[in-house]
Amino acid sequence: NAGVMQNPRHLVRRRGQEARLRCSPMKGHSHVYWYRQLPEEGLKFMVYLQKENIIDESGMPKERFSAEFPKEGPSILRIQQVVRGDSAAYFCASSPPAGWSTEAFFGQGTRLTVV
Amino acid sequence: GESVGLHLPTLSVQEGDNSIINCAYSNSASDYFIWYKQESGKGPQFIIDIRSNMDKRQGQRVTVLLNKTVKHLSLQIAATQPGDSAVYFCAEKTDNFNKFYFGSGTKLNVKP
Repeated sequence: NAGVMQNPRHLVRRRGQEARLRCSPMKGHSHVYWYRQLPEEGLKFMVYLQKENIIDESGMPKERFSAEFPKEGPSILRIQQVVRGDSAAYFCASSPPAGWSTEAFFGQGTRLTVV
Repeated sequence: GESVGLHLPTLSVQEGDNSIINCAYSNSASDYFIWYKQESGKGPQFIIDIRSNMDKRQGQRVTVLLNKTVKHLSLQIAATQPGDSAVYFCAEKTDNFNKFYFGSGTKLNVKP
């Protein structure tokens, strides 16, 4: 059973370009979370999604950022018109349906560098 | 509660000593807690979990203690090794709502 797969592992974008980060959850997991981490800092919640639904996007900037988790395919975190301040590691985690006391499994992250 | 973008506190210990990492959580309704370990350049990895109906749980070299009265969680690592050097996060959630809240993390530095 493959773990949470994120790609790309490293992404370099010029200011003003778009960044697309992909996350394939573990098999059987219907919940996906995205977190952002700056160097030497903790994990900052961005968004929580179930298939075809955004459950909580309270941690996501209102502009330029969007996330989706379609019925088929990976979850996508999209950052439009990137700026230097978007440079960070973005982690995706997945978990089974609500009500199961089990951990969220993390991917290895995508390190976004905006130049 | 949520990580708020503060720089990580650091705990330095000597190899072979025991380490204690603390975490305060915010939601009294949280009923499931996890400790994660994050090594440099990698994603967080599960270490140990505990449900709110327990106050202590032991794993291999690790023990988690839960004090619901003061909303405090701790991770004890016995005979700390250089490979334990990492950032440690606690996470909480309620079964009724599947969102995980992460603490701000502690960086453990093990000196040989």
